[in-house]
Amino acid sequence: AQSVTQLGSHVSVSEGALVLLRCNYSSSVPPYLFWYVQYPNQGLQLLLKYTSAATLVKGINGFEAEFKKSETSFHLTKPSAHMSDAAEYFCAVTGPGAGSYQLTFGKGTKLSVIP
Amino acid sequence: GAVVSQHPSRVICKSGTSVKIECRSLDFQATTMFWYRQFPKQSLMLMATSNEGSKATYEQGVEKDKFLINHASLTLSTLTVTSAHPEDSSFYICSARETVSYNEQFFGPGTRLTVL
Repeated sequence: AQSVTQLGSHVSVSEGALVLLRCNYSSSVPPYLFWYVQYPNQGLQLLLKYTSAATLVKGINGFEAEFKKSETSFHLTKPSAHMSDAAEYFCAVTGPGAGSYQLTFGKGTKLSVIP
Repeated sequence: GAVVSQHPSRVICKSGTSVKIECRSLDFQATTMFWYRQFPKQSLMLMATSNEGSKATYEQGVEKDKFLINHASLTLSTLTVTSAHPEDSSFYICSARETVSYNEQFFGPGTRLTVL
């Protein structure tokens, strides 16, 4: 079984400051990992994904995440927060292979950006 | 590419009525679509997995007779909430799995259902 733990249900940063959203996973098979962003009353938009290639993954809007197997982590970072980054962020895990496609989501982290 | 639409975006209905929500993959074929439910300030909860041409697979605790899912084509899945009650009020989100990229799901914008 797979699971995802997002540390911190709410993170506040100042505009221009570093954004760090934490995600730890548990998986019995090599995982595929995803970060999604959700704006109010909208669906989920994929920020980036790790699918066993490069461990440092770059996504949209300046976000990146590093897969660390030894720490079972996939933390999301952005060097400089922008007001438009304020949203809910979800980390998700699934297994590799055509048969393992169900996503397991973390509980989400709400990011607030202070002007 | 890889756009998923949902219709309607918002719906308000009276208790006891049925509501149908459509999920369409606009520019790709989706052999598998997923239906999620999201309560306020919570994560997404998978309700069911819908495969084109076959019966949906429901997650434990989800009433299949209440949440009817039909995946009649490679681009359309529908969720019908039958005999809706106020506790069914929620944000329903669908996603579609592209046949080429097995593990990536593309999400629709969601449907806000309010049952009075």
